[in-house]
Formats: sequence, C-alpha cells, structure tokens
Amino acid sequence: DVKVTQSSRYLVKRTGEKVFLECVQDMDHENMFWYRQDPGLGLRLIYFSYDVKMKEKGDIPEGYSVSREKKERFSLILESASTNQTSMYLCASSFGREEGTEAFFGQGTRLTVV
Amino acid sequence: AQSVTQPDIHITVSEGASLELRCNYSYGATPYLFWYVQSPGQGLQLLLKYFSGDTLVQGIKGFEAEFKRSQSSFNLRKPSVHWSDAAEYFCAVARNYGQNFVFGPGTRLSVLP
Repeated sequence: DVKVTQSSRYLVKRTGEKVFLECVQDMDHENMFWYRQDPGLGLRLIYFSYDVKMKEKGDIPEGYSVSREKKERFSLILESASTNQTSMYLCASSFGREEGTEAFFGQGTRLTVV
Repeated sequence: AQSVTQPDIHITVSEGASLELRCNYSYGATPYLFWYVQSPGQGLQLLLKYFSGDTLVQGIKGFEAEFKRSQSSFNLRKPSVHWSDAAEYFCAVARNYGQNFVFGPGTRLSVLP
C-alpha cells in the first residue's frame, strides 16, 4: 500500500513562529502536494512539486513556501505563522503524468496558531 | 479555470436508504474525475475514479458514480447506506494528467439509525 506520512497530527504554534510541516511518501511518486482544508471550502492547493527541487504555486500560496530536497519528502513552511493559517493541512502524492492517476493522502496535520 | 461544485453541504439519510451525492465540474478537456471519502480525523481515501470508457464506474464499499458529459456531472450513488458511511465526501477533477487536483467543497453525510 502507498503510504503518505505526515510528521505531526496536531500542532500548536504561536503567532510569528516559523513552522515546518513534513511529509514523506514511500512509493517513489514524482508529484507531491500540500492542501489546506477548511469547512465549506474543501481542499485548496497551496503548492505542488513534480520533481526534486521543483515547486509550483497552487491556488493559495501566499504566506507559505515549500522545500523538496529529496524525492520522498516535501516540506511546507510557514515563514511567520498567523492565526488565519489555523487549519487542517493535507499532504498528498501521485505518480507521474499518467491517465487516471490518483492522489494518495496523508492523515493530515491540524495546526492551531495562537 | 477548472472548478468543482457540490451543491449539498450536508445530507442526512436513514440507514438502508439510497444515496445520491451531486457533483458538477467545469473543465475544458476530457475530465479525470474522482470521489474521495474522509472519515472523521482521517485523510482522504479514494472511492472511485473516471477517466475514459464506461460512464458508470464502480468503486469500493458499494459505491458507484455516473459520468454525464452533457450535464457536466459525476454523481455518486449507493443503493443502501450503512451507518459506517457517515463521513465527508469530496469530488475532484485532475489537472495536467494528475499533476494536481481541484476539489469541491465537500458534502457531509449523516446516517440515522
């Protein structure tokens, strides 16, 4: 089975802190994604990466950055956390550019910024 | 721009009743469509997907969905709902051959005993 693992299930951080959310996948997938999930808004794409050291902005990249130094690991960085970044963060991965390829998700990290 | 709408925010059905969750998409090319389910506190699990061929697709847990190009719809159905189906359901469309995905806002399903 594909496994996407997020390092923390719950995090509480203070406003202004630098926050790292880590994600690791074990299926050699090329593509990795970070989404945030908010009630009534569904999942919104923050950033994605289709190769090592490559990154692309998603629909809501403001206030976030990412790092992909190794194929299996994709990190989301909140440079200076703010209360409006309190949310559920979901990491996902998918294989290449195949027809019908699907995204596999981690369990999510619920981040609270106080 | 691609978009996905799910008109129903919350649906309540009785156990054993049939279910239909609606999904409409906006996409210029042939869409790759997905339904995911999220149980409380969990990540998303794929129920089924459509990318070509038969417009009626079968998934896990007894779910099926029908792709209707003329209506830009991909509705999810189940003939008899079980209490364990209570969850949130997301419809999604793939962009760029799966390089990223656009999700709908989700429909929360409650099941009455």
